[in-house]
Amino acid sequence: AQSVTQPDIHITVSEGASLELRCNYSYGATPYLFWYVQSPGQGLQLLLKYFSGDTLVQGIKGFEAEFKRSQSSFNLRKPSVHWSDAAEYFCAVGATGAAGNKLTFGGGTRVLVKP
Amino acid sequence: NAGVTQTPKFRVLKTGQSMTLLCAQDMNHEYMYWYRQDPGMGLRLIHYSVGEGTTAKGEVPDGYNVSRLKKQNFLLGLESAAPSQTSVYFCASSYNDRGDVLTFGAGSRLTVL
Repeated sequence: AQSVTQPDIHITVSEGASLELRCNYSYGATPYLFWYVQSPGQGLQLLLKYFSGDTLVQGIKGFEAEFKRSQSSFNLRKPSVHWSDAAEYFCAVGATGAAGNKLTFGGGTRVLVKP
Repeated sequence: NAGVTQTPKFRVLKTGQSMTLLCAQDMNHEYMYWYRQDPGMGLRLIHYSVGEGTTAKGEVPDGYNVSRLKKQNFLLGLESAAPSQTSVYFCASSYNDRGDVLTFGAGSRLTVL
């Protein structure tokens, strides 16, 4: 069965500083990988996705993530954080070919941005 | 605006009561999902549907039932609510099964006393 681990429950970062959120997954085949963001009181919004090809993927809001098969990781990065990036971030893995593509989510990382 | 609408947004139940959460989407999506979100556990799939008239169990289906009588609606039912079902419930829909175009509703916060 697939699983996702986000080791950091909370991260506090100063506005303008860089941000990196860690994600490790477990899956036997080539995974679909996603990062979602959830602003307070809102549903989830897709930031970026990896299916195949270039292992560095660009997303919305200036985010990028790098797929490293050897480390089973898909870490999310942003060079310069804005106050509006304060939110909870979820990494997810999808099983290729699975009916309904049941995504498995990590526990989430809450990001606080200091002025 | 097109999207996924969940009703109600908030509900408080007593143990043993029943209720239904409604999810409606106007994007003609085939796939619909119900997740629950609990602190530190991310989102866990309760049930899903791959088309009108179909339903299937997800990761945590016990204590819930679902129905997809119309393509645009996906209902989540609790027949006898328990405190362990206190959670925030999210509905999502998609036109494919790859997970990259999931549209989420804003969530329904349920408290069971």
